[in-house]
Amino acid sequence: NAGVTQTPKFQVLKTGQSMTLQCAQDMNHNSMYWYRQDPGMGLRLIYYSASEGTTDKGEVPNGYNVSRLNKREFSLRLESAAPSQTSVYFCASSESIGQKYTFGSGTRLTVV
Amino acid sequence: TQLLEQSPQFLSIQEGENLTVYCNSSSVFSSLQWYRQEPGEGPVLLVTVVTGGEVKKLKRLTFQFGDARKDSSLHITAAQPGDTGLYLCAGANEKLTFGTGTRLTIIP
Repeated sequence: NAGVTQTPKFQVLKTGQSMTLQCAQDMNHNSMYWYRQDPGMGLRLIYYSASEGTTDKGEVPNGYNVSRLNKREFSLRLESAAPSQTSVYFCASSESIGQKYTFGSGTRLTVV
Repeated sequence: TQLLEQSPQFLSIQEGENLTVYCNSSSVFSSLQWYRQEPGEGPVLLVTVVTGGEVKKLKRLTFQFGDARKDSSLHITAAQPGDTGLYLCAGANEKLTFGTGTRLTIIP
């Protein structure tokens, strides 16, 4: 009963470094999402994938790229990390767009 | 951009008291979801309301969707420490738009 698995749980990066956040779901869901959560800002959508083979920008896509590797996996890449990208990142999945979401437990990223 | 405002932003009350949290928007949504998030975890779905005026109960939690499907409320009766957490509403129109959240603390 894994649901949505995110790795790593914690990461510290130096400004300019790159990294990829991994997300996998085992519920055979079609849609997957990446959000960031900052104090007072709620959850903001970075990118989403409505179905395997498609990706679209969300509300705050600048500085990020995504890959929907297959139906299970959806990764988020920071090419050149900036302090403004310090946040908690959540991956979520749903059977289809707008249906109930299942979230991972998050990645806490600090960029110094 | 569809905005969902939640109020209050913070709420701290004694165990046993009742409380109501509000979720308001100028946009109409096809459905509205409520999530609860505990520290160090992702949000977990509590309920989905679909029809204008719909009321759903989950033990001591009562959720209502406004008649015009633009707003919602969450009422908790006899709050318990286990109700502590961040409550998020999310409106669905294709994608989900999340509200700003209400951080609830129940003091034993």
